[in-house]
Amino acid sequence: DTAVSQTPKYLVTQMGNDKSIKCEQNLGHDTMYWYKQDSKKFLKIMFSYNNKELIINETVPNRFSPKSPDKAHLNLHINSLELGDSAVYFCASSQPPDLAGEETQYFGPGTRLLVL
Amino acid sequence: GQNIDQPTEMTATEGAIVQINCTYQTSGFNGLFWYQQHAGEAPTFLSYNVLDGLEEKGRFSSFLSRSKGYSYLLLKELQMKDSASYLCAVRVPALTFGKGTMLLVSP
Repeated sequence: DTAVSQTPKYLVTQMGNDKSIKCEQNLGHDTMYWYKQDSKKFLKIMFSYNNKELIINETVPNRFSPKSPDKAHLNLHINSLELGDSAVYFCASSQPPDLAGEETQYFGPGTRLLVL
Repeated sequence: GQNIDQPTEMTATEGAIVQINCTYQTSGFNGLFWYQQHAGEAPTFLSYNVLDGLEEKGRFSSFLSRSKGYSYLLLKELQMKDSASYLCAVRVPALTFGKGTMLLVSP
């Protein structure tokens, strides 16, 4: 069974369109994340939700809007897509850190977005 | 701002030992993580250090010196399947990643 799943795996679209990426985790984790990995493989956090509440919102254009209908789902909606939005978007989830502070994040398979 | 530096690429031979260094200058520190990412796949967790010293997990070990803002990942008995990108990340509190080190293991 897939722990963190994302759909779609590939997304090719035109500039100016609006698109959504969905993420689901069946690990029972409280915290979910969205990351963007650009063409140079630089992985950067975008958002973090804990129990459906936004806790981290990095400097991301407001064309990007995350939505968490429940703690197992975190979707990402992108309005007015731009060429620079082309990247791989990873969803991840984790439980709170253990006593030693260890907090493993489990990543989904990624969504490869190409904006033409 | 946050600054996490790693070498861009490294090459090594099957069976050898390789050390991947990571230096960081961050506004906070709440643990250092190493992730492995094969081409076209998701990152997977390798190791975690929050106290100074060496953590060993099978063929992989990770070292941390908080006073020096320095960590390394040591891979022993290299195998071809170890060819991947290795990402150093500091929890600041958000997980902040370096740009990754692409390791190529040759026969």
